[in-house]
Amino acid sequence: DSGVTQTPKHLITATGQRVTLRCSPRSGDLSVYWYQQSLDQGLQFLIQYYNGEERAKGNILERFSAQQFPDLHSELNLSSLELGDSALYFCATSEGDLNSPLHFGNGTRLTVT
Amino acid sequence: GNSVTQMEGPVTLSEEAFLTINCTYTATGYPSLFWYVQYPGEGLQLLLKATKADDKGSNKGFEATYRKETTSFHLEKGSVQVSDSAVYFCALNTDKLIFGTGTRLQVFP
Repeated sequence: DSGVTQTPKHLITATGQRVTLRCSPRSGDLSVYWYQQSLDQGLQFLIQYYNGEERAKGNILERFSAQQFPDLHSELNLSSLELGDSALYFCATSEGDLNSPLHFGNGTRLTVT
Repeated sequence: GNSVTQMEGPVTLSEEAFLTINCTYTATGYPSLFWYVQYPGEGLQLLLKATKADDKGSNKGFEATYRKETTSFHLEKGSVQVSDSAVYFCALNTDKLIFGTGTRLQVFP
């Protein structure tokens, strides 16, 4: 058990809809990362937060947004969903140092129909 | 920009065979290098890491040496087991963690 909790585990929704994915970090971890994993794109870095502030941005679409709250949990919001957004979305957390390992949750599987 | 290139899978081996999964990187500065493993239905887990040139990371019989001259961090294990079947990701960390595309390892009895 990594100590990182992601909810929900599975999500099925229709095109055009909006969903929110939630991540609770491991105790003591200040950094939260979001990744998208799909068969054709591999593991794509979306965005990173550190102690409530956005720290780095990757290949995140404008339809997607995230935030990290004062209690350090994070949410990833996906809107105007398209079929191609179907993927596994992982949250990972770390202490924040570049040499600190990431601890991954088990992911949220999103299916857009 | 920074990137990681891994050998394509799947890699298929018999139990007790020797494993090498190649990983090379492109980066400015001096990144830390990592290998993560993903078992079916789970998130990624750190397998090993190396933070500077010539460091060797090791864990569970797996090893990888940070080679600055060849910009490589190849993963090796002397004798694989069926339970090692998983997807292995090489990654580097400068300002953010960047993963390779992953290499699926299948070990048969």
